[in-house]
Amino acid sequence: GQQVMQIPQYQHVQEGEDFTTYCNSSTTLSNIQWYKQRPGGHPVFLIQLVKSGEVKKQKRLTFQFGEAKKNSSLHITATQTTDVGTYFCAGPPSNTGKLIFGQGTTLQVKP
Amino acid sequence: ETGVTQTPRHLVMGMTNKKSLKCEQHLGHNAMYWYKQSAKKPLELMFVYNFKEQTENNSVPSRFSPECPNSSHLFLHLHTLQPEDSALYLCASSPALRTSTDTQYFGPGTRLTVL
Repeated sequence: GQQVMQIPQYQHVQEGEDFTTYCNSSTTLSNIQWYKQRPGGHPVFLIQLVKSGEVKKQKRLTFQFGEAKKNSSLHITATQTTDVGTYFCAGPPSNTGKLIFGQGTTLQVKP
Repeated sequence: ETGVTQTPRHLVMGMTNKKSLKCEQHLGHNAMYWYKQSAKKPLELMFVYNFKEQTENNSVPSRFSPECPNSSHLFLHLHTLQPEDSALYLCASSPALRTSTDTQYFGPGTRLTVL
């Protein structure tokens, strides 16, 4: 079946440093979504990318969808303590509409 | 507040107990989902309902029994659970289950502990 892998699993950074998490799918995705889960919270939708090579920005967050639509990345510039949490990518198997989540990357930011 | 509520927020139960988790969405969505989130594991999709019809049962043990009486409510009935079933159970909803994926909105989850 389809697999969605994320690396790294954990990342500790000093406040102000940049952070990147990578998402790779075993199959082509029609779109990819990113969610953030704060400690003790629930996943919250961040963004959806649909087009090959698409890049979207949300303030200090930059999301990219690969040309082959099999990989994606999330880059945070100048991390802040509010960025702490687990970031999940998720993509749908073809023509099903359901989402397969990656295992997430947990970000810790040291002040 | 995402418009998806779950009760109870915390539940401790013995292996012989029967309990139910409740999810309600106020977003007018037609698809609802149950996920299990264990420590150090990815979100595991358990069940999917679309317009009240179950469309997915992801090889979930029969000790978990879902119920969807209408598009706004989703239940997960629990009986004779095992300690390894302890996890965060998340409910989510989306406009509908279709080939183009809609965003999913998650509830706050029920933290279940099985003793």
